[in-house]
Amino acid sequence: GEDVEQSLFLSVREGDSSVINCTYTDSSSTYLYWYKQEPGAGLQLLTYIFSNMDMKQDQRLTVLLNKKDKHLSLRIADTQTGDSAIYFCAEKRMDSNYQLIWGAGTKLIIKP
Amino acid sequence: DTEVTQTPKHLVMGMTNKKSLKCEQHMGHRAMYWYKQKAKKPPELMFVYSYEKLSINESVPSRFSPECPNSSLLNLHLHALQPEDSALYLCASSQPGQDFHGYTFGSGTRLTVV
Repeated sequence: GEDVEQSLFLSVREGDSSVINCTYTDSSSTYLYWYKQEPGAGLQLLTYIFSNMDMKQDQRLTVLLNKKDKHLSLRIADTQTGDSAIYFCAEKRMDSNYQLIWGAGTKLIIKP
Repeated sequence: DTEVTQTPKHLVMGMTNKKSLKCEQHMGHRAMYWYKQKAKKPPELMFVYSYEKLSINESVPSRFSPECPNSSLLNLHLHALQPEDSALYLCASSQPGQDFHGYTFGSGTRLTVV
């Protein structure tokens, strides 16, 4: 199938790490992206990983890619209330110039 | 300038009205996109312009009419919309061949059709 799959909700305590997971289906994917959408706002590109990489770290964000299992994760260290948002993973396939395949989005809920 | 600017931010229109959504970017990107997003759902691609030419039309009803007057501007003309067309309309841009930058999205226009 074509689906990119994510869990719909994740609840974590403030200060803990959040791990948002995504599975994709096409091994020819080139770039995989994580976007953040706060309520009433547009989509903000958080980070990306190229398909020949295993890990990428950018400040509090760590992206892990398991190509064998077609599994992508986004870890947010020291989760803050400002991290409350919907997180979408998206894949860009080699056979497409412009189309992204989107996951359904994971709503991250922060508990005090 | 690393922004995509969309106007208006909110729009309420009747089913017989004609209105336009506007999008502008000054990043030199040569691909521009219109997406439709329903609440709590991922964005759905509507149109793609590449080098000011329409590259992709995802079978969008003709009541939505895109226009790309130049490399910085993208419009979406709306006419005879239905209540189910109410959604957040997002504009995005990217530079072909530079996928590591991803797409830059605007804040969207919240459209309500009454």
